[in-house]
Amino acid sequence: LAKTTQPISMDSYEGQEVNITCSHNNIATNDYITWYQQFPSQGPRFIIQGYKTKVTNEVASLFIPADRKSSTLSLPRVSLSDTAVYYCLVAPDTGTASKLTFGTGTRLQVTL
Amino acid sequence: DTGVSQDPRHKITKRGQNVTFRCDPISEHNRLYWYRQTLGQGPEFLTYFQNEAQLEKSRLLSDRFSAERPKGSFSTLEIQRTEQGDSAMYLCASILSGSRGEQFFGPGTRLTVL
Repeated sequence: LAKTTQPISMDSYEGQEVNITCSHNNIATNDYITWYQQFPSQGPRFIIQGYKTKVTNEVASLFIPADRKSSTLSLPRVSLSDTAVYYCLVAPDTGTASKLTFGTGTRLQVTL
Repeated sequence: DTGVSQDPRHKITKRGQNVTFRCDPISEHNRLYWYRQTLGQGPEFLTYFQNEAQLEKSRLLSDRFSAERPKGSFSTLEIQRTEQGDSAMYLCASILSGSRGEQFFGPGTRLTVL
């Protein structure tokens, strides 16, 4: 499985856009990139998934350059409730659900 | 609420005791996963079921751990002779086999071994 590297922590003020970059230099051709969010004392929650270029949903955007060796999760205008740990995962899409391999994640702290 | 429930939410036990946790996945989901998460770390895979069959076990799952999913619905994770190193959050997740992406996680069971 491709190893991922992301910042340990980030700080932001409420209302700002936050970009969290994940490095995955040895990503394989059939790997997808998935981001999860986790609040304290809760299980992780799926945010977004992509393969290349840009994906956007109601929560976030995911930017993936052509070489796919990195990806950036963009959270527009964060609020205090976005304070959480964000995990970048890379895993092959076999057409069936596979186990997830989490790293240590990025701890985002949003303040006023 | 993701639709996946876990019971109990918290468990405090003394070293050497046995504990059992329960996970109720989303009803139509046939794949069920167990993960363990220690403080400051991401969740680590323990084992998973396809219906009632246990298809993979991590090396983290020592012989003191056993998991079952007897009728392909709820699952239990038992830890025998608990040790202080077993203190962690135990997470359950479910997904429909053949679907991509999102695993639905329960709120977890936090185990403290004294």
